[in-house]
Amino acid sequence: KQEVTQIPAALSVPEGENLVLNCSFTDSAIYNLQWFRQDPGKGLTSLLLIQSSQREQTSGRLNASLDKSSGRSTLYIAASQPGDSATYLCAAGGDTDKLIFGTGTRLQVFP
Amino acid sequence: DVKVTQSSRYLVKRTGEKVFLECVQDMDHENMFWYRQDPGLGLRLIYFSYDVKMKEKGDIPEGYSVSREKKERFSLILESASTNQTSMYLCASTGGAGRTDTQYFGPGTRLTVL
Repeated sequence: KQEVTQIPAALSVPEGENLVLNCSFTDSAIYNLQWFRQDPGKGLTSLLLIQSSQREQTSGRLNASLDKSSGRSTLYIAASQPGDSATYLCAAGGDTDKLIFGTGTRLQVFP
Repeated sequence: DVKVTQSSRYLVKRTGEKVFLECVQDMDHENMFWYRQDPGLGLRLIYFSYDVKMKEKGDIPEGYSVSREKKERFSLILESASTNQTSMYLCASTGGAGRTDTQYFGPGTRLTVL
């Protein structure tokens, strides 16, 4: 059974820092890996989706990588800003359209 | 842009009541999902549907049922609400059958059962 873990559970950094959020999964037979952002009390917003055949995806200051063999994905945020403060969730996609979510990393970027 | 809407942002119900949570998407997506989100447990899949009148159990279907009479609408039903069903409920949809696509989420319904 797929299990997804995110470390750290919480992170507090000063504005301008580059940071890395980690996601690990136990079953490497995934179809994709998705990263989401969730603001307090709100729904999830999709950030990046990496297909299993891809190694990374980029969107603006965000870069996500995928290493299926080691069961890891990382989300790199460059030049962090206070507006990046949110919870970041990763999810592993299998062959039935279902996603298995990690419990998230709560990020706070202070001025 | 894809839009997924949920019928209520906040809902307060009493134990034993029948509760309906509705989700509507406007992009003709085939696949729709209901999750609940609890602190420390993350998002857990309750039910999902690949097509009209089709439904599949997720990881925690007990105490819930669903209805999909039209492609754009997916309803979650709590037959007899209990306090342990107090949670944030999130609906999502995706575009294609088969391989997983980006899931688009609604704003969530925070349900409190007293």
